[in-house]
Amino acid sequence: DVKVTQSSRYLVKRTGEKVFLECVQDMDHENMFWYRQDPGLGLRLIYFSYDVKMKEKGDIPEGYSVSREKKERFSLILESASTNQTSMYLCASSKGQGRETQYFGPGTRLLVL
Amino acid sequence: GENVEQHPSTLSVQEGDSAVIKCTYSDSASNYFPWYKQELGKRPQLIIDIRSNVGEKKDQRIAVTLNKTAKHFSLHITETQPEDSAVYFCAVPLGGFKTIFGAGTRLFVKA
Repeated sequence: DVKVTQSSRYLVKRTGEKVFLECVQDMDHENMFWYRQDPGLGLRLIYFSYDVKMKEKGDIPEGYSVSREKKERFSLILESASTNQTSMYLCASSKGQGRETQYFGPGTRLLVL
Repeated sequence: GENVEQHPSTLSVQEGDSAVIKCTYSDSASNYFPWYKQELGKRPQLIIDIRSNVGEKKDQRIAVTLNKTAKHFSLHITETQPEDSAVYFCAVPLGGFKTIFGAGTRLFVKA
């Protein structure tokens, strides 16, 4: 059974703070993803990675960066948090070359004050 | 760019009735079409998927139908129960690892 975990369920940060969200998967999946989920907008892709040290921008990368130093771990970094980054952040992983099922973490609800 | 439209955004049915959610996509090369269910406060989870070599797939009370010519696929839930209440997302994985998700349908099943 695939398990994807995220470092925090809830976070409250202040504007300008640097924020780290961490995701770990235990199924040796090649691909990992970060999405943000906002009401009425579905899931929007921020960044993804298909291999260690590889990263690709998604649809809304502005204000975010990522790091993948190990296959099982994918970190999302908000360099200087802003109030418009208040959202639910979901990590996901999948195997193979794409067009496969994604397995999601429980999500991190981030509030930026 | 590639696009996925999901309808309706909200659906309210009486327990025991059927529910249908439809997604329309634009990428002609797509060949895999999953549906995810997200219960309140929980993570999205795959409930059913279909590949383009078949037109319909069933799993107990849920089914997915695919019309590749018209570029749409639908989720069908029969004999709905209160525990079916959730947000449902369709998804269209593209080439190059990206997946586009529909905006979601919030299903309410009234007891």
